[in-house]
Amino acid sequence: EIVLTQSPGTLSLSPGERATLSCRASQSVSTRFLAWYQQKPGQAPRLLIYGASTRATGIPDRFGGSGSGTDFTLTISRLEPEDFVVYYCQQYGGSPRTFGQGTKVEIK
Amino acid sequence: QVQLVESGGGLVKPGGSLRLSCAASGFTFTDYYMSWIRQAPGKGLEWVSYISSSGTTIYYADSVKGRFTISRDNAKNSLYLQMNSLRAEDTAIYYCATGWKFGESWGQGTLVTVSS
Repeated sequence: EIVLTQSPGTLSLSPGERATLSCRASQSVSTRFLAWYQQKPGQAPRLLIYGASTRATGIPDRFGGSGSGTDFTLTISRLEPEDFVVYYCQQYGGSPRTFGQGTKVEIK
Repeated sequence: QVQLVESGGGLVKPGGSLRLSCAASGFTFTDYYMSWIRQAPGKGLEWVSYISSSGTTIYYADSVKGRFTISRDNAKNSLYLQMNSLRAEDTAIYYCATGWKFGESWGQGTLVTVSS
């Protein structure tokens, strides 16, 4: 099983700042099969990024994904008020599909 | 637009059973693998099961294998999860989602609570 470790657990930033979220895998994730989700309180997760760097339909271009192998990054270029929520990474290069434990982005 | 509506959750005693349903609309249901993903209260996400568009390919997480059964009715655009021998650790919000690699679209979820 591929274990995903997200860091930091909580990221304290101000609106307009750049956010960099990390997702590290316990073994290489084949063909960049990594996705990112955003989850707002009381809502289901929403797909942001798949294939490590491809934005899902309707996702603003301030969200960007990068990385390969065992190290992946979600970058939010300029934080909007609605971006202060929880983000999860998920790999689909192996079975079972596994998720990271999440990073909470909070207002500083 | 894609709409997924789960139902069937509730409070059940350990050892009991529940059947979850997911009604799909706004897309061609038969084009998609479908999945169930769960989230324990205040916790992370766990992929529970997925089923191919024809129903011939099925996956279960080890934690539910032998207790849960996924199925679909393409004529009714519906996905199901039969949950037997429920345990306290099955307490979670259960989401249905399109796809089997990553969750493309998600329903709002249905809460299953296993407690005596």
